[in-house]
Amino acid sequence: GAGVSQSPSNKVTEKGKDVELRCDPISGHTALYWYRQRLGQGLEFLIYFQGNSAPDKSGLPSDRFSAERTGESVSTLTIQRTQQEDSAVYLCASSLRSGYGYTFGSGTRLTVV
Amino acid sequence: AQSVTQLGSHVSVSEGALVLLRCNYSSSVPPYLFWYVQYPNQGLQLLLKYTSAATLVKGINGFEAEFKKSETSFHLTKPSAHMSDAAEYFCAVILSGSARQLTFGSGTQLTVLP
Repeated sequence: GAGVSQSPSNKVTEKGKDVELRCDPISGHTALYWYRQRLGQGLEFLIYFQGNSAPDKSGLPSDRFSAERTGESVSTLTIQRTQQEDSAVYLCASSLRSGYGYTFGSGTRLTVV
Repeated sequence: AQSVTQLGSHVSVSEGALVLLRCNYSSSVPPYLFWYVQYPNQGLQLLLKYTSAATLVKGINGFEAEFKKSETSFHLTKPSAHMSDAAEYFCAVILSGSARQLTFGSGTQLTVLP
């Protein structure tokens, strides 16, 4: 597609439930990133995929967080047993190659009640 | 470890005045540097990037930034602020030759006063 697409745009969930966030990168972009943006704060790196290489998971805050990507296509970020502190905007970005310009999606606003 | 610091979480300027948003990085090797803008309830949009070519980088919407190695800075400027420039601005860095992820500053909220 023309841009990075994320769904849903908004998600309200109850504490303890699992959620899945989806990211469709730009076609042909081999690199894909997930970031978290808490209210009034900067962006925190979560995880990075580059082609078929093992992902860089160094930013995942706990084992409740996981992400998958099949080849160079869609990625899913899963948060298990959600907590209130997981409330944030989750942003996905893709890049033609690492170190190049990133294109961000408009994010998924997650609210845990 | 690489990091990026934005001085001033909030900056206010009058319409038509100079915009100056400050960004300093800490790295012994010049990194790749970026400025992004985020309008309310939207994703991030790339304003400009430095990738070791010209030190003065021109971006969209009349913004530019100058890479100064001696000062480890990459400040963002615009000669004349417009009301539509009101947004949050993020400086970000990738250490060249490394793996890859953007490290963001904490952001600067720009307010433009009529």
